[in-house]
Amino acid sequence: DQQVKQNSPSLSVQEGRISILNCDYTNSMFDYFLWYKKYPAEGPTFLISISSIKDKNEDGRFTVFLNKSAKHLSLHIVPSQPGDSAVYFCAASRGRAGSYQLTFGKGTKLSVIP
Amino acid sequence: DTGVSQDPRHKITKRGQNVTFRCDPISEHNRLYWYRQTLGQGPEFLTYFQNEAQLEKSRLLSDRFSAERPKGSFSTLEIQRTEQGDSAMYLCASSKFGQGGNTEAFFGQGTRLTVV
Repeated sequence: DQQVKQNSPSLSVQEGRISILNCDYTNSMFDYFLWYKKYPAEGPTFLISISSIKDKNEDGRFTVFLNKSAKHLSLHIVPSQPGDSAVYFCAASRGRAGSYQLTFGKGTKLSVIP
Repeated sequence: DTGVSQDPRHKITKRGQNVTFRCDPISEHNRLYWYRQTLGQGPEFLTYFQNEAQLEKSRLLSDRFSAERPKGSFSTLEIQRTEQGDSAMYLCASSKFGQGGNTEAFFGQGTRLTVV
């Protein structure tokens, strides 16, 4: 049973436009959420995170929104750049101070078209 | 380079052989994690250490798998009697856990295992 779901395997966006990547979770015990970016033949790279006590976190071009009641989060990239083309993984954990065992979604492949 | 380092990057082995992978975490990080990623899936948690103590193991970690972190620095993951289903990318990550909580996990580049 997938506890973290990324229902869009791929997404194509024009350079300069907004990219919106979505993630849903089912386990209400999750209270810390992260986004990782992965290029081919490399390990995942941490991008941005959000605690369940917040509904928005922003870092430069990247903003993560959390809707706890809907168990949904999204990553917005504005403006999108060709270098953003990668696979994006949504991950969740129970407690930032805890074991930090991450549960990942299957990923969304983002292609930013010049 | 002060990131998480994994060795080897690629390993091809015959079914039934034993393999061992090594992970060197970021030096000041006291937590070390092993994940496995198969094609089309996200990484799946296997186990983690705080210093030299192995604190949690996933059900995915069968008896053929063993992980160690003898001195609280580098870690090894051994797979005995490999099976074709063990073919995957094995990812190591590390983080710093302290009074302020846990930092985000930083991943290495992974070891790609192919069992033929």
